Amino acid sequence: EVQLLESGGGLVQPGGSLRLSCAASGFTFSNYAMTWVRQAPGKGLEWVSLITGSGSATYYADSVKGRFTVSRDNSKNTLYLQMDSLRAEDTAVYYCAKDAAYCTNGVCYKVGYFDYWGQGTLVTVSS
Amino acid sequence: DIQMTQSPSSLSASVGDRVTITCRASQSISSHLIWYQQKSGKAPKLLIYAASTLQGGVPSRFSGSGSGTDFTLTISSLQPDDFATYYCQQSYSTPQTFGQGTKVEIK
Repeated sequence: EVQLLESGGGLVQPGGSLRLSCAASGFTFSNYAMTWVRQAPGKGLEWVSLITGSGSATYYADSVKGRFTVSRDNSKNTLYLQMDSLRAEDTAVYYCAKDAAYCTNGVCYKVGYFDYWGQGTLVTVSS
Repeated sequence: DIQMTQSPSSLSASVGDRVTITCRASQSISSHLIWYQQKSGKAPKLLIYAASTLQGGVPSRFSGSGSGTDFTLTISSLQPDDFATYYCQQSYSTPQTFGQGTKVEIK
């Protein structure tokens, strides 16, 4: 059974930093791209960042580029999001999600949509 | 970035009603259109990918159609479990972008 469990959320002051983690199980983690999606209170979904299975490529929304860094440790089946220079508008529930991927001959290709999601972790940026 | 626009933003319907939600992309995305369902306080759930392919385990009362810029999610006979917010997402290019959501409420 695929499971994704986020942690690391909390209250942080503007300008501060926070690192989110997402522990994955139930699938071959290194084969799949992973993504972070956030949802501000009462608002819609916003894609934040994506990292390929090997970690060799990363992508960011313009709203977080230069402030957030996505990474992964495939030996620990864990995804991370380092968030620096946090702003009030970064307040949201942050979800990690697994790329649905198309796998053939042992190679998985990201498809850009997400078939499993964690339960989310709340980040509040406030003084 | 590709903009995704859903309509309506909310709707009220009764159990058994046929419900249709539309999603329009700001440029052609072929069939790279995804639908998710999100219930209050929960993570989104993948319903439909490639515009019309049902994810495993999703009831057949859900269907998707469209290509290019205009897409539709249809619930043929609304059930109590279907009251939720529905989001479209394009997977054509990065950044993947979502529509603003359509909240389906009980009439």
